[in-house]
Amino acid sequence: NAGVTQTPKFQVLKTGQSMTLQCAQDMNHNSMYWYRQDPGMGLRLIYYSASEGTTDKGEVPNGYNVSRLNKREFSLRLESAAPSQTSVYFCASIRGGGSNQPQHFGDGTRLSIL
Amino acid sequence: DQQVKQNSPSLSVQEGRISILNCDYTNSMFDYFLWYKKYPAEGPTFLISISSIKDKNEDGRFTVFLNKSAKHLSLHIVPSQPGDSAVYFCAAIETLSGYALNFGKGTSLLVTP
Repeated sequence: NAGVTQTPKFQVLKTGQSMTLQCAQDMNHNSMYWYRQDPGMGLRLIYYSASEGTTDKGEVPNGYNVSRLNKREFSLRLESAAPSQTSVYFCASIRGGGSNQPQHFGDGTRLSIL
Repeated sequence: DQQVKQNSPSLSVQEGRISILNCDYTNSMFDYFLWYKKYPAEGPTFLISISSIKDKNEDGRFTVFLNKSAKHLSLHIVPSQPGDSAVYFCAAIETLSGYALNFGKGTSLLVTP
C-alpha cells in the first residue's frame, strides 16, 4: 500500500525555469493538498482540492498553479521558479466527507532554486 | 498570523522519562486537534488527535490533553524512547468551515539514552 507518492524526491532548478511536482494517492481519497515547509516554519498550505474537479487557494498560492487531473492525482506547477520557492513540498490527502480526519502525507519533494 | 503556536523549538529528555510537548492556539473556533510526528527526509505521520468535546485522549504511550479555556493542548509521551526523537507538529482545524489544517512550527524532541 503506497499511500501518497510524490515525484521527484529532489530537484534543482535555475531561476526562471518551470517544473511540475507530481502527487498520486491510492487510498481513494477525495481531498488533496499541497504544503510547503521552510526552516523554522510549520507547514503552509499552497493549494487544495476538496474533490475531483475543484481547486482552491490556500495561504501561500502566489507563483504556483495546480491541476487535479483525476481523483488520484494532484500536481503543483511552478511556471517561473524563484529562489524564494526553495523549500520542501508535501502533498497530503484525506478521505473527505468531514474535516475531522488526519491527513496522510507523502515523503516530500526537496526543491532548490538557484 | 500564526493561529497555532509551539513556543519550544526543541526539547531534550532522557530515555524512560516523560516528554511533554506544548501547543497553544488563538482561534476559539478550532474543534479538532492533531499531533504529527516527522522524521528527517520523511513526510509527517499522524500520531494522535482529540476532539474539543474531550479533554484527554490516550493511545499507548501517547496522551493528548486539551484545555479549551486556556486554548492549550499538550502531548505526553511516557516512557520516552530514543525512537521518539523527531519533530512534532501540532495542528488544528475548525471542522464546520475549515478546509485544511493549521500547523504550528514544530518542536524537535531528542530522547537521549
